Amino acid sequence: DAGITQSPRYKITETGRQVTLMCHQTWSHSYMFWYRQDLGHGLRLIYYSAAADITDKGEVPDGYVVSRSKTENFPLTLESATRSQTSVYFCASATRVSGSYEQYFGPGTRLTVT
Amino acid sequence: KQEVTQIPAALSVPEGENLVLNCSFTDSAIYNLQWFRQDPGKGLTSLLLIQSSQREQTSGRLNASLDKSSGRSTLYIAASQPGDSATYLCAVDGQAGTALIFGKGTTLSVSS
Repeated sequence: DAGITQSPRYKITETGRQVTLMCHQTWSHSYMFWYRQDLGHGLRLIYYSAAADITDKGEVPDGYVVSRSKTENFPLTLESATRSQTSVYFCASATRVSGSYEQYFGPGTRLTVT
Repeated sequence: KQEVTQIPAALSVPEGENLVLNCSFTDSAIYNLQWFRQDPGKGLTSLLLIQSSQREQTSGRLNASLDKSSGRSTLYIAASQPGDSATYLCAVDGQAGTALIFGKGTTLSVSS
């Protein structure tokens, strides 16, 4: 399928477990992002990547790890899940449009940590 | 630190009404401002992107304006329809290609 996909769409895990959320885009966009969306906080950036093998921290990176070995994939790993990481996670990619970057979002992964 | 505020947080209007959603940001040094729509339980759909050198963008019944110097943007929706019911998010980026900073959104309900 063309576009940006996330898997799984829903996940329930236990405290302390490692969880990996997958993100795949078919556009070959150079930039990719992970955000989390929480009531009262809105969307906040976790990590982003400007290109393969280049990643950088966002506003709320603690407890998360990312990698980007291929342009099209940007997995997010929760090393030891905590209840505070219960959230909806969105992956996005960005392409240059007339000198600016427009972001496109995936459908989200709803993660519950029990 | 850039902060984005959207007012009102919620809005209910009857079908056919023209309406304006407001967005303000604290740091005028932005590259872009982007408006999104989010339906319940869904992802974000990009509606309009305004570059910092532009004053407005239009798409169908939507018109977004940008006043960078005053740190304000408005999203105008003409002839609202029940299908317009959703949460509308405003976001800015401080550098081309880096992350967006989001407002908390305005939840719009259009009744038939």
